[in-house]
Order: sequence, then structure tokens, then C-alpha cells
Amino acid sequence: GALVYQYPRRTICKSGTSMRMECQAVGFQATSVAWYRQSPQKTFELIALSTVNSAIKYEQNFTQEKFPISHPNLSFSSMTVLNAYLEDRGLYLCGARVGTGGDTQYFGPGTRLLVL
Amino acid sequence: GDSVTQTEGLVTLTEGLPVMLNCTYQTIYSNPFLFWYVQHLNESPRLLLKSFTDNKRTEHQGFHATLHKSSSSFHLQKSSAQLSDSALYYCALSGDTNAYKVIFGKGTHLHVLP
Repeated sequence: GALVYQYPRRTICKSGTSMRMECQAVGFQATSVAWYRQSPQKTFELIALSTVNSAIKYEQNFTQEKFPISHPNLSFSSMTVLNAYLEDRGLYLCGARVGTGGDTQYFGPGTRLLVL
Repeated sequence: GDSVTQTEGLVTLTEGLPVMLNCTYQTIYSNPFLFWYVQHLNESPRLLLKSFTDNKRTEHQGFHATLHKSSSSFHLQKSSAQLSDSALYYCALSGDTNAYKVIFGKGTHLHVLP
């Protein structure tokens, strides 16, 4: 079956430091990977969408300078939160799809980021 | 642009009563795909059901939804709520077969009381 792993599951970083999180698709090739942030204040936000053979597209209020993403192959993606501050706290979810349209988006368990 | 609007916040009801979570959407696509995802506590969202066909009922695990393009709606229903249905529910939309992006609503928290 299709599985998505995320690492680490939980991390704590000091304010102003950076942390990197990873997303691994197992059992399928992900032609697109979407990164989301889930927080109590702003519920479920799409950060960026990375698709094969296309530039990574960031949503409003999210930038490559703050959330650089790497998507080197069809099974792996990583995202870094640079200069993390309190408002960056939340659960970062990775969603991967095989194709487009009606294809299911499979989510990883998330990386929970705490900022001190 | 594309957007999804669903019943926001918390919906509380007693076990055994019917469930209805509203979802409406706006899209530039004439043939969108609509999804419902469910997220239980300490888990990640997973697909509950999806539809592409106008006016056709889709069912899974006791839940059902019908895509109505005339009203741009895809409401989630269940005839009798169970305690285990307590979760966060997201309505989502994707464009046609060339669309990679999935647009999620803000989520509805369903809390079922005994």
C-alpha cells in the first residue's frame, strides 16, 4: 500500500534557529508533494506544492526564503523552517499524490515543531 | 480562484443522531473532484470518500455524500452518529486530470456525545 513517512515526528528548536524535516513516499512514486501547516490559530494551511518537472509554488504568506523545499526525486522531499519563531509552531504535514485530478493525497504523520 | 467553504468550528451532537457537515465550493474547473478527509486525534488526515460524478451518491464507512454541481455542494452525511466519528473533517477540491493542487476547507470538528 501507499505510505508516507515523515521525520522527525517531533522537534524543539530555539527561537531564531532552523530545522529541517523530511518526507518519504513508500510504495508509490509521488509526482506531487504538498507541505501543509496545521495550527490551532490558522487550522490547515497549504505552504507550497512541488510537482515533478515544475517549479515549486508557494502560497501567499509563505516564501522560499523562509521555507526552502527540496524535491530531488519522486519519493523524497524535505523542507526547512528557517529562523523559526513562535508563530511557526504547529504540525507540518506532507501530502503526496501519484497523479492529478481524483488521485488520493496520502499524508504522513507530520512533524510537530515547538519553538522555545 | 478555487476555494472550499465548510461548516466551521465545532459541531456537537448526541450519539445516534444524524450527521450533516456542509461543504460548498467555487472553482474554475467544470469537472472538479471533491473529497472528504477525516483526521482523528493524533493521526494524519486520510481519505474518507471522493466523487467526480454529478448527482451520484458516494458511500464509505457509513458516510455518504452527493456532488451537486448545480449548487456547488458536497455535503457529508451519516444517518446515525457514533462516538468513534468524533474527528476533524476536511472537504477538499481538485481540478481536472491536469490539476496537481488539492484545495482544503478549514475543517469541521465533529464531537459526538454519549
